[in-house]
Amino acid sequence: GAVVSQHPSWVICKSGTSVKIECRSLDFQATTMFWYRQFPKQSLMLMATSNEGSKATYEQGVEKDKFLINHASLTLSTLTVTSAHPEDSSFYICSARDSAGFGTQYFGPGTRLLVL
Amino acid sequence: AQSVTQLDSHVSVSEGTPVLLRCNYSSSYSPSLFWYVQHPNKGLQLLLKYTSAATLVKGINGFEAEFKKSETSFHLTKPSAHMSDAAEYFCVVTPSGGYNKLIFGAGTRLAVHP
Repeated sequence: GAVVSQHPSWVICKSGTSVKIECRSLDFQATTMFWYRQFPKQSLMLMATSNEGSKATYEQGVEKDKFLINHASLTLSTLTVTSAHPEDSSFYICSARDSAGFGTQYFGPGTRLLVL
Repeated sequence: AQSVTQLDSHVSVSEGTPVLLRCNYSSSYSPSLFWYVQHPNKGLQLLLKYTSAATLVKGINGFEAEFKKSETSFHLTKPSAHMSDAAEYFCVVTPSGGYNKLIFGAGTRLAVHP
């Protein structure tokens, strides 16, 4: 089946540093990837839609200068949390939409970010 | 506009008994519907999807869901719960075709007791 990986699976960093999270579709091509944020015991909140070769589309209320997204290839999208602060601590999940067939979204295992 | 309502935030069942997780949707278009499962500190796994074919959809791990347009429902069921089914379940809707962003329900936490 379709597999999406994320790296790292967890990261702890100091306040003010930047953190990059990678999302890869391992066995299919994904022209579109999505980045979600999930707070404890809550549902997923879509942050942005990442399209290969073009600028990401951010949801209302999400700072594009804070959460930089790059989708340079059909199998890789990156999310960079710039100048991270404790309130950015969260579980970040990506999904990749299969370019072929129906376009089902497959989710990565998530990245737990803790900013001290 | 589209939305999803999961009617129960928590469901608790005994092992071996049936599972019913309820979901109602609102959509201006012919929707596609999904159920995803999330185990603690994990990503989401697709259980099943409805894409305007058969209204009774069979998924993985013995789960199935029935699309009822007249009731705007897409309830998830399983005849016999297993301890490993304990997780968070999300009902999701998107306009027909799947090429749009997903709208998530709030989630239902399923607990399975011995």
